[in-house]
Amino acid sequence: ETGVTQTPRHLVMGMTNKKSLKCEQHLGHNAMYWYKQSAKKPLELMFVYNFKEQTENNSVPSRFSPECPNSSHLFLHLHTLQPEDSALYLCASSLGTLQAGNEQFFGPGTRLTVL
Amino acid sequence: KQEVTQIPAALSVPEGENLVLNCSFTDSAIYNLQWFRQDPGKGLTSLLLIQSSQREQTSGRLNASLDKSSGRSTLYIAASQPGDSATYLCAVSNSGYALNFGKGTSLLVTP
Repeated sequence: ETGVTQTPRHLVMGMTNKKSLKCEQHLGHNAMYWYKQSAKKPLELMFVYNFKEQTENNSVPSRFSPECPNSSHLFLHLHTLQPEDSALYLCASSLGTLQAGNEQFFGPGTRLTVL
Repeated sequence: KQEVTQIPAALSVPEGENLVLNCSFTDSAIYNLQWFRQDPGKGLTSLLLIQSSQREQTSGRLNASLDKSSGRSTLYIAASQPGDSATYLCAVSNSGYALNFGKGTSLLVTP
């Protein structure tokens, strides 16, 4: 596998379920990101991790819980979600900061539907 | 707060035409600007990255320009093909890690 991979690609869950999204990058990058893409809205940054440490939490509700065990893996744990949380969740990675001129590379996304 | 606007929201052109997609941003203190392509239901593919000190970048039939002082960027696609049909997203960075995205331009190239 190369690049950024995400599993599962599609997920349907009820509001009382607990599920997790997984992201893995094979690029040797140090920073990883979660974005949310809802219909008719721009991509929204949710969380940023750099060298496994969370550097940004963009006022995301606590029903979304990120975990970064190492620089190659990123998880998004989901519990008691709402139907409005249905969206495409995208993971990205970069070698370092955007300030230093690094590109962000994106995975294919997980299409989440909350019933 | 950085606001990124992309015009037009949708564009349909016949195959072979040259076309220009526009991106504007409100805060000119950016580190860089990235253009992405997104196919329906898929992730983003990075097309071009322009650093704040650069004026343009080229890759194949794509050319992106940046006028930081006026808060504008354009993506020029030469000799468009049906395979170019996708949504094109512009994103700028003002901080260490966050990218601010526009809503995108949905492009359809008809045979």
